[in-house]
Amino acid sequence: KAGVTQTPRYLIKTRGQQVTLSCSPISGHRSVSWYQQTPGQGLQFLFEYFSETQRNKGNFPGRFSGRQFSNSRSEMNVSTLELGDSALYLCASSPEGTGELFFGEGSRLTVL
Amino acid sequence: GENVEQHPSTLSVQEGDSAVIKCTYSDSASNYFPWYKQELGKGPQLIIDIRSNVGEKKDQRIAVTLNKTAKHFSLHITETQPEDSAVYFCAASSTVSGGSNYKLTFGKGTLLTVNP
Repeated sequence: KAGVTQTPRYLIKTRGQQVTLSCSPISGHRSVSWYQQTPGQGLQFLFEYFSETQRNKGNFPGRFSGRQFSNSRSEMNVSTLELGDSALYLCASSPEGTGELFFGEGSRLTVL
Repeated sequence: GENVEQHPSTLSVQEGDSAVIKCTYSDSASNYFPWYKQELGKGPQLIIDIRSNVGEKKDQRIAVTLNKTAKHFSLHITETQPEDSAVYFCAASSTVSGGSNYKLTFGKGTLLTVNP
């Protein structure tokens, strides 16, 4: 079974730009979560989607948004990028009702 | 909301020794406690988990213990090997609104170095 796939793996943007990250979950997993990982703050929860609906949301500004498609693939978008948005963005899929997260390798975003 | 504290932040052991990482949590409703291992350049990988109806769980060289009264849980790695070197994260979660979905809160991580 293929794991969670995230694209792109690396990207560099400048302040004020926007970025879209993509995540393909493990086949059969309908829950997709997004996390931001930074050295100072660790792993912070952004949001979780299930069957195209946002089920949970973390404490991030409205510049961070996401969506999920009918095939369970998910995208997250960050608008008006700030230097502090530089981080590893991790996507994880989960079998429903277990709490077990299966992470992708992440998209490393650098904002200059 | 839930708060998870993890200690130590760094841990260095000799190959063959044991390593223990401890976490405390604040929300008494939490009922699921996974541990993740993250190697350099990779995403976190689930290595073991425990649910609140169990006090201890073992999987080969790895074990997790849970004390719900004290709200703490620990990861024990015996006979450590150089390939155990990684960052380890604990997490705590409860189901949201009594449903079937979970919201995990992670500790800040422990960098484990196993010296040959």
